[in-house]
Amino acid sequence: SQKIEQNSEALNIQEGKTATLTCNYTNYSPAYLQWYRQDPGRGPVFLLLIRENEKEKRKERLKVTFDTTLKQSLFHITASQPADSATYLCASFGGSQGNLIFGKGTKLSVKP
Amino acid sequence: GAVVSQHPSRVICKSGTSVKIECRSLDFQATTMFWYRQFPKQSLMLMATSNEGSKATYEQGVEKDKFLINHASLTLSTLTVTSAHPEDSSFYICSAVLQGSYEQYFGPGTRLTVT
Repeated sequence: SQKIEQNSEALNIQEGKTATLTCNYTNYSPAYLQWYRQDPGRGPVFLLLIRENEKEKRKERLKVTFDTTLKQSLFHITASQPADSATYLCASFGGSQGNLIFGKGTKLSVKP
Repeated sequence: GAVVSQHPSRVICKSGTSVKIECRSLDFQATTMFWYRQFPKQSLMLMATSNEGSKATYEQGVEKDKFLINHASLTLSTLTVTSAHPEDSSFYICSAVLQGSYEQYFGPGTRLTVT
């Protein structure tokens, strides 16, 4: 079955460093991948979408890459700040109903 | 931007009672809304797809008689958890699909606790 995997449950980094989160997919080839931010007790908030024919996409301090050979997407936050601390979810359309399939998320903690 | 609201944000109910959760798209029309459930440290799992004017489509293992979904208008879908049990305690999140596109917008979620 189609799977989205985020193998790192948690990532702790120092303020100012670049955070890199990984998302791998198996058993299908998504046309695009999405990244969401989720704060505790809140719904996901859309951040970026990258299509399979795009190698890289940027938005302010965020950068996403899509490697169809490795079946992987990387999500980078440069010059990280404590306010970036949250859980980041990778998702793609994979369900028969047009729904999103989510990874378990990576909880990022940025220490001052 | 597109905003989706959910009401209530938190609800505590007694075992055996029913609870209704509303999902509204505030500034856009959504022919399709999705209902997800999220357990602690787990990913969002799709429960059902709610289509305006037609019956909901449920994922395997989700009891349609227990989780009643009504999508009566292009801006409102409701999820009713009937005869709730403690194992139904979870975080329920809806998303609405912008009509004519694949863009999905999520509600803030509803924390259900069944005692």
